Amino acid sequence: AQSVTQLGSHVSVSEGALVLLRCNYSSSVPPYLFWYVQYPNQGLQLLLKYTTGATLVKGINGFEAEFKKSETSFHLTKPSAHMSDAAEYFCAVIKDTGRRALTFGSGTRLQVQP
Amino acid sequence: DAGVIQSPRHEVTEMGQEVTLRCKPISGHNSLFWYRQTMMRGLELLIYFNNNVPIDDSGMPEDRFSAKMPNASFSTLKIQPSEPRDSAVYFCASSPRDIYQETQYFGPGTRLLVL
Repeated sequence: AQSVTQLGSHVSVSEGALVLLRCNYSSSVPPYLFWYVQYPNQGLQLLLKYTTGATLVKGINGFEAEFKKSETSFHLTKPSAHMSDAAEYFCAVIKDTGRRALTFGSGTRLQVQP
Repeated sequence: DAGVIQSPRHEVTEMGQEVTLRCKPISGHNSLFWYRQTMMRGLELLIYFNNNVPIDDSGMPEDRFSAKMPNASFSTLKIQPSEPRDSAVYFCASSPRDIYQETQYFGPGTRLLVL
């Protein structure tokens, strides 16, 4: 089973609409979860992460994600999309705390329509 | 802070040639990572260093790939000989501490095309 699965390779929303990007992780991995964003021709930038503590995590640019153990999910949301949010978003996990490697999902490209 | 610096940003080479990618991590960071991004395989870790020592190179595809970190401020990823299937974007990332919770800061990447 994949360690992390992102549902929907492309998501399109209207400016001002709710953004919901889905991420499910395998229950066999420790719940250390990250969302990164990649703008065109740029490197990845951390949006937010969950490692311990409060299950609702707030990140940069108005994004937040909720860790739901019962659903093995870590969906990314933003109440109101902005044109500048158009980018590719990656959910990532630490598969093994003995290794530092991030295992990334396949990515979701967010398009924001005016 | 200048962030993670990678050079070159773009590289076009012919099959069989040697390619060297360079990375300067953020000052004070003691962990450095090399990732590769392709359409087919997505983002995958190639190797990571802690305090200049390679810790995990299980992602290095084959002997054609080698990575070094001679000091805390510089790392190279070398491909010799290069092949068309090596075409990808190669990212370098660094993090302040060698713990799994720590954020990794990515460079802008090197886009490699092997003809």
